[in-house]
Amino acid sequence: DAKTTQPNSMESNEEEPVHLPCNHSTISGTDYIHWYRQLPSQGPEYVIHGLTSNVNNRMASLAIAEDRKSSTLILHRATLRDAAVYYCILRDGRDDKIIFGKGTRLHILP
Amino acid sequence: EPEVTQTPSHQVTQMGQEVILRCVPISNHLYFYWYRQILGQKVEFLVSFYNNEISEKSEIFDDQFSVERPDGSNFTLKIRSTKLEDSAMYFCASSHDRDGWDTEAFFGQGTRLTVV
Repeated sequence: DAKTTQPNSMESNEEEPVHLPCNHSTISGTDYIHWYRQLPSQGPEYVIHGLTSNVNNRMASLAIAEDRKSSTLILHRATLRDAAVYYCILRDGRDDKIIFGKGTRLHILP
Repeated sequence: EPEVTQTPSHQVTQMGQEVILRCVPISNHLYFYWYRQILGQKVEFLVSFYNNEISEKSEIFDDQFSVERPDGSNFTLKIRSTKLEDSAMYFCASSHDRDGWDTEAFFGQGTRLTVV
């Protein structure tokens, strides 16, 4: 899997939007951008993924830069339950495993 | 919502003993995985399994590890002779398709293995 770069940690206030950045300057044309999160003492959980266009689902939105070298996971209204480690991961069809990096630890302030 | 189920949630074993960690993947999924996470560290890939055989394994997955799908529902990880450094959270995952580009993996809640 190609490399991604994320901030080690971020803080946000409850009920405010959160923008989690990810840089992936070496992304290839067939790499999908996936986001997973890991709540405390739980297994990783899928959040969202995309290729080129911005994506929305019930959990979050994914904004992908036009050159695809960066992306941003957007939590529209953070709750305390969103405190977790968020992983930005590139996946291609040659490899079905997920390679986790260190991710961004998101702290939500009440 | 369908989920991956792992048992037990916590296993304590003596060094040198064999342990079997059990997982029930989501019923229509075809690809199965084990990952581990040592306390405070990253989630690490161990092995992927499809069509009753290992499709890929990491350097961590040495001869002391084995996986099996003994029936139509269970997927197990066996550690033959546990070492202290095998203490970790072990996560099972499954996905419907192999094409990692465009599919999601579902993870279980994990089994915490403590080797004493």
